[in-house]
Amino acid sequence: LAKTTQPISMDSYEGQEVNITCSHNNIATNDYITWYQQFPSQGPRFIIQGYKTKVTNEVASLFIPADRKSSTLSLPRVSLSDTAVYYCLVGDTHTGGFKTIFGAGTRLFVKA
Amino acid sequence: EAGVAQSPRYKIIEKRQSVAFWCNPISGHATLYWYQQILGQGPKLLIQFQNNGVVDDSQLPKDRFSAERLKGVDSTLKIQPAKLEDSAVYLCASSPTSVNTEAFFGQGTRLTVV
Repeated sequence: LAKTTQPISMDSYEGQEVNITCSHNNIATNDYITWYQQFPSQGPRFIIQGYKTKVTNEVASLFIPADRKSSTLSLPRVSLSDTAVYYCLVGDTHTGGFKTIFGAGTRLFVKA
Repeated sequence: EAGVAQSPRYKIIEKRQSVAFWCNPISGHATLYWYQQILGQGPKLLIQFQNNGVVDDSQLPKDRFSAERLKGVDSTLKIQPAKLEDSAVYLCASSPTSVNTEAFFGQGTRLTVV
């Protein structure tokens, strides 16, 4: 199973762009990269998923270089409500389903 | 669309007692997961079901934890007997039947063992 490495914490200010990088050197050919967000007292919430190059949705962008050994979650113009823990996961394709392995995550603190 | 429902939201028990958690996944989702999240850590997968069959329970402490998913819908997770180190949030998640799809999480059950 591919392991991921993320910064433990990051600080930012409202209105700034935040980039959180995740390393996954042992990513396998069939693995996807997925990011989740978790607020206190809530379950994780899916943000974005990608396989290669760039993926963008209404919430974030995900940049994946050609070697796929790392990925960067980009949050444009963060607000106070983006303060949360962000998890990078590398999906291991098991028969019958998607096995999600969470690391410790990155605690993002957005200041006014 | 209704989300993943879990109950109870909170539970306090004494060590050596037993406890059960219930999960109702999103309708039509064949894959169901139970996670344990200790304070300050990421969720740890305990068991994964595909319909009513177990796909992965390699990290489930089977001497005290058990889980079932009868009829491939609702699921229960039981701990018997509980230990102090079982204090955690127990999260249930579900996803559609395919690989590499997003998982939808419930709010979790916060268990405190005293």
